[in-house]
Amino acid sequence: AQSVTQLDSQVPVFEEAPVELRCNYSSSVSVYLFWYVQYPNQGLQLLLKYLSGSTLVKGINGFEAEFNKSQTSFHLRKPSVHISDTAEYFCAVSLSGTYKYIFGTGTRLKVLA
Amino acid sequence: SQTIHQWPATLVQPVGSPLSLECTVEGTSNPNLYWYRQAAGRGLQLLFYSVGIGQISSEVPQNLSASRPQDRQFILSSKKLLLSDSGFYLCAWTTGPGEGGYTFGSGTRLTVV
Repeated sequence: AQSVTQLDSQVPVFEEAPVELRCNYSSSVSVYLFWYVQYPNQGLQLLLKYLSGSTLVKGINGFEAEFNKSQTSFHLRKPSVHISDTAEYFCAVSLSGTYKYIFGTGTRLKVLA
Repeated sequence: SQTIHQWPATLVQPVGSPLSLECTVEGTSNPNLYWYRQAAGRGLQLLFYSVGIGQISSEVPQNLSASRPQDRQFILSSKKLLLSDSGFYLCAWTTGPGEGGYTFGSGTRLTVV
């Protein structure tokens, strides 16, 4: 069965510092990979996605993620965070050709002044 | 452009009362539609999804039901709410299987008292 693991439930980081949010997945078939951001009391917004091709994917708000097939990971990074990046971040996978997405349990990023 | 509307934004209901949450999508046809629930401090739980009018797939047996009376309308219902039904309910849509990524509504915060 497919699964998504976000090991860090909370990540505190100081403003202008770099951050990495970790995501590992388990699947025996090809997957599509996504990162979403959720601000308080709002829906989720797509940050970036990996479908195929280059393993480094750039998204909105200066975020990027790297797909590592051998380590089955899709970690999210930002070189310098802002206070406004404080939110919850969800990693998700979609099996190629299916209608369902599997979400991780989320990582709460708190940017400190 | 495609938009998704979800209402109401907040709802406080007594135990045992009925529930109806509505979601509509504009600017696309034949979308795949989804209902997710997000309990406090937890990830997203897929409740129902639909790939066409009248086609509903249930992921978790529970106190809720879903219907799709029109192509771009998805309704989440309950005859009698339980305290455990409290949470943040999110509607989402996508086109085709897998690669598009979800577009989420703004969510409904349901509190059962």
